[in-house]
Amino acid sequence: DAKTTQPTSMDCAEGRAANLPCNHSTISGNEYVYWYRQIHSQGPQYIIHGLKNNETNEMASLIITEDRKSSTLILPHATLRDTAVYYCIVRVLNSGGSNYKLTFGKGTLLTVNP
Amino acid sequence: ETGVTQSPTHLIKTRGQQVTLRCSSQSGHNTVSWYQQALGQGPQFIFQYYREEENGRGNFPPRFSGLQFPNYSSELNVNALELDDSALYLCASSSRGPGYTFGSGTRLTVV
Repeated sequence: DAKTTQPTSMDCAEGRAANLPCNHSTISGNEYVYWYRQIHSQGPQYIIHGLKNNETNEMASLIITEDRKSSTLILPHATLRDTAVYYCIVRVLNSGGSNYKLTFGKGTLLTVNP
Repeated sequence: ETGVTQSPTHLIKTRGQQVTLRCSSQSGHNTVSWYQQALGQGPQFIFQYYREEENGRGNFPPRFSGLQFPNYSSELNVNALELDDSALYLCASSSRGPGYTFGSGTRLTVV
């Protein structure tokens, strides 16, 4: 799996958009960008994934640059409950039963302040 | 739908002992993975089971072993516990879909 680079920590004001960057300059053509988050004392939670087009779901938006070497996770209106460690992971698409492990780095600790 | 449940939530063991951790996968998920998360670090992949067979393993010694049962639940066994085995152990289940569903983990302390 390609390596990712994320800032160690970020702060965001409650109600504002949180933009979390991720660099993945060695990403392969068949690798997707996945985002997970881990709230203290819980297991990681899947947020969103994408290949090359921008994606949006009920939790967040994912913006992937045209060269696919970096991406940004956007939480449009951050709340205090969004305080967590956010992990950016690149890997091939899970096709069920295959050995497609998740390779976690240290992630970005996002702190949402009141 | 039920999520992934792990038991026990906390456990204290003595160095040299053996431990078994359990995981019930999310309904409909046939693949189970186990991860070890040391304090301040991201989770590290231990191994994965699919249809009761191990089909992938991370950089962990053989004293880490597992099982997957016909109902897709799973066990992680660790023999000859060492102090460095103290960590949060996470189970994740998946099927054909975008992401893995993680349990809340078992906090193992080895003293």
